[in-house]
Parts: sequence; structure tokens; C-alpha cells
Amino acid sequence: EAGVAQSPRYKIIEKRQSVAFWCNPISGHATLYWYQQILGQGPKLLIQFQNNGVVDDSQLPKDRFSAERLKGVDSTLKIQPAKLEDSAVYLCASSLDRGETQYFGPGTRLLVL
Amino acid sequence: QKEVEQDPGPLSVPEGAIVSLNCTYSNSAFQYFMWYRQYSRKGPELLMYTYSSGNKEDGRFTAQVDKSSKYISLFIRDSQPSDSATYLCAMRRGGFKTIFGAGTRLFVKA
Repeated sequence: EAGVAQSPRYKIIEKRQSVAFWCNPISGHATLYWYQQILGQGPKLLIQFQNNGVVDDSQLPKDRFSAERLKGVDSTLKIQPAKLEDSAVYLCASSLDRGETQYFGPGTRLLVL
Repeated sequence: QKEVEQDPGPLSVPEGAIVSLNCTYSNSAFQYFMWYRQYSRKGPELLMYTYSSGNKEDGRFTAQVDKSSKYISLFIRDSQPSDSATYLCAMRRGGFKTIFGAGTRLFVKA
């Protein structure tokens, strides 16, 4: 069974630029999560989708971050404009349903200069 | 005060040692407790999952939850160099979001 796929794996941008990350969850998984993991910290949930609807986006900085999950499968997370403090690893995870085991992708490592 | 506190380490032990990793938490409503292992430049993977209080054993790994003390532990017996990773505790209540600890870096020396 293929795992959660993410791209790109690494991205370096300058502050005020925009960036987008892509996630392909495990086939059949209804729930998709985006986490931000800053160096030395645990993952922090940014947004959770159930199929193509948003369940929780309470910690998503909506003035600069946006995410969508069209057709309830793939998802993209966008940052516009980026700030220095956005430097982190962005992890995508999926689960069969809410409350089930989460499977994480390898993450996208973002550096904002 | 953070909802979940975890000593970041690093923790360095010789091969074969028993490792004890711990987390404390403040929200008594947490019901589900997890331990994830994260290798360098990889995503976290679920290691142990416990509901409410008690112990759970899986091979060399034992998870303990003490809800009265708001304290959870992960024990690794006969530690191996391949166990070298960051261990994240995590917890949630019901269908709410999962809260992760900062992670403890573990090094097992051959």
C-alpha cells in the first residue's frame, strides 16, 4: 500500500514570496491533516479535512495560509506572503476516518530567507 | 503552561539499556494517548496507542498511562541503535485534534 506522498521535499524562498505544497493521501482515507513542525517542537495541526470539508482550521493563520482539498482526495497548502517564522517542516497525514490512526508523509522542509 | 510537556533531551544510552521516556499533561479530558517515533527527515509513525489508564505492551515497548497523575511513559527494553530517533508523545480527547509533545531525542550507542 502506497503511503502519503508530499511534494516538494524541500523549498527555499525569500520572505514575502508565495509557496504551495501538495499532498496525496493514502487511497480511501477520508480524513486529511496538515501540520506545521518547527525545529525542536512537535507537530501543530493547521487544518483538518473530512472528505472535502474543513473540520478544524482554528490554528491556521488565515491571513496568509490557505488550503483546499478538491474532490476529497489531494490537497494543497499555500502560504502567501511567507514570513521568516514560517520556516518549518509541513507534514501531511491521512487517516481512514476521524479518530483513526494517522499516517504521515515525509514532509516538506521550508526555509524562508 | 503547555498542554503537553516533554523533556527534549537528548537522551544517550548504551545498547541494551532500558529507556524511559515521559510526558506530563494538564488537560484531564484527554482520553487517547499515543507515542510516535520520528526518524531524521521522516514523518512520525505511530508506535503505541492507549485508551484511558493502564499499560500496553508490544514487543520491546511498553506504554503506561496514569491519568490520576496526568503522566504517561514509554519504556523500551533491550534498546538498539536502530531505536535512535525522536519520540513524540501525543494525546487527544474524543474527536478533537491531537496535541503533540515537543519530542525527546534518543541516541542508543553501539
